[in-house]
Amino acid sequence: ETGVTQTPRHLVMGMTNKKSLKCEQHLGHNAMYWYKQSAKKPLELMFVYSLEERVENNSVPSRFSPECPNSSHLFLHLHTLQPEDSALYLCASSQDWTGGSYEQYFGPGTRLTVT
Amino acid sequence: GQNIDQPTEMTATEGAIVQINCTYQTSGFNGLFWYQQHAGEAPTFLSYNVLDGLEEKGRFSSFLSRSKGYSYLLLKELQMKDSASYLCAVKDSNYQLIWGAGTKLIIKP
Repeated sequence: ETGVTQTPRHLVMGMTNKKSLKCEQHLGHNAMYWYKQSAKKPLELMFVYSLEERVENNSVPSRFSPECPNSSHLFLHLHTLQPEDSALYLCASSQDWTGGSYEQYFGPGTRLTVT
Repeated sequence: GQNIDQPTEMTATEGAIVQINCTYQTSGFNGLFWYQQHAGEAPTFLSYNVLDGLEEKGRFSSFLSRSKGYSYLLLKELQMKDSASYLCAVKDSNYQLIWGAGTKLIIKP
């Protein structure tokens, strides 16, 4: 595997379900990110981890819970979601989160539908 | 507040040149990025500008004017595979990327 991988690619869940999204990066990067992408809207940064420590949490509802067990893996635990949470969830990584020039590498995303 | 503006959609002809503009108002500036995103796929990095001027990379060039809060992405010799969304993003003083909503570029034969 190379780059950034995400599983599952598609997920349909009811509002009372609990599910988790998984992200893995094979690039040796120190920073990992969760983004939400909704149609015709800018990417919304949800969480940033640097060396397994959360460094940013942009006012995300508590029904989204991140976990970073090591620098290569990132999870997003979902529970009691709302229909408006339906979106593409993208994981990304970069060499460092503060370096100006470090570009982010994105995974293919998980298309989440909440019914 | 912080804001990135770019046109919602543009149309161009195969073989032609197109310029996609981006204006920004952010709390601090630590560089501007352009990404390409094909439908249903992940964004991929195209360019990074932190100093004023033009950066050329093959058929793609990116320009930055920090005093004007302005950038553009120039695509030459357009190919059908260039049909995609182009995302402008600025890294602010907290090193967070602030994203525009993207410009959907449609290439016609």
